[in-house]
Amino acid sequence: DGGITQSPKYLFRKEGQNVTLSCEQNLNHDAMYWYRQDPGQGLRLIYYSQIVNDFQKGDIAEGYSVSREKKESFPLTVTSAQKNPTAFYLCASSTRRGTEAFFGQGTRLTVV
Amino acid sequence: KQEVTQIPAALSVPEGENLVLNCSFTDSAIYNLQWFRQDPGKGLTSLLLIQSSQREQTSGRLNASLDKSSGRSTLYIAASQPGDSATYLCAVNGDSNYQLIWGAGTKLIIKP
Repeated sequence: DGGITQSPKYLFRKEGQNVTLSCEQNLNHDAMYWYRQDPGQGLRLIYYSQIVNDFQKGDIAEGYSVSREKKESFPLTVTSAQKNPTAFYLCASSTRRGTEAFFGQGTRLTVV
Repeated sequence: KQEVTQIPAALSVPEGENLVLNCSFTDSAIYNLQWFRQDPGKGLTSLLLIQSSQREQTSGRLNASLDKSSGRSTLYIAASQPGDSATYLCAVNGDSNYQLIWGAGTKLIIKP
């Protein structure tokens, strides 16, 4: 089945640690996105990529980093510079930017 | 700057009723608008996408309309069922930057 897989489903981070969230898609989509969701707020864009080896910052990129070495994969690293990382993180992809977006099941990150 | 608003934030109705969810946006220069469903702790499921040139889209018991000039979209759910209980989000793609701007969602509860 085609789709987007995010792992892990739950992740716990200690203060000062970097953690990496995985996102893999087998939809052959060129564009991929990372969003952060906090209770009562709309989704906010962290980073997006329109093509392999290229990515752009979204509205809240500070404290996050990404890579796009393969078309299928767009991992997100939450660095120690992100002061309030506890949130639900969603990865999405689309054929190209502006077309219908499809989402993974999310990763819930908690700082302990 | 585009802003997307969904009112009400929560809605509870008896099973079997027809209902309308609202989405308003401040800038009519949009490329398309998407409606999504989100179950608790899960990712987003795409329901309907309306291109800026379209007036409505239908899928099963769902019908989404778009009025660009007034900055409004509605999601009509016919013959509601308890399984329709979820949070419904709308998102607008700008026609210049193709960035999705999100509403905060309407939490829908269908009472058996």
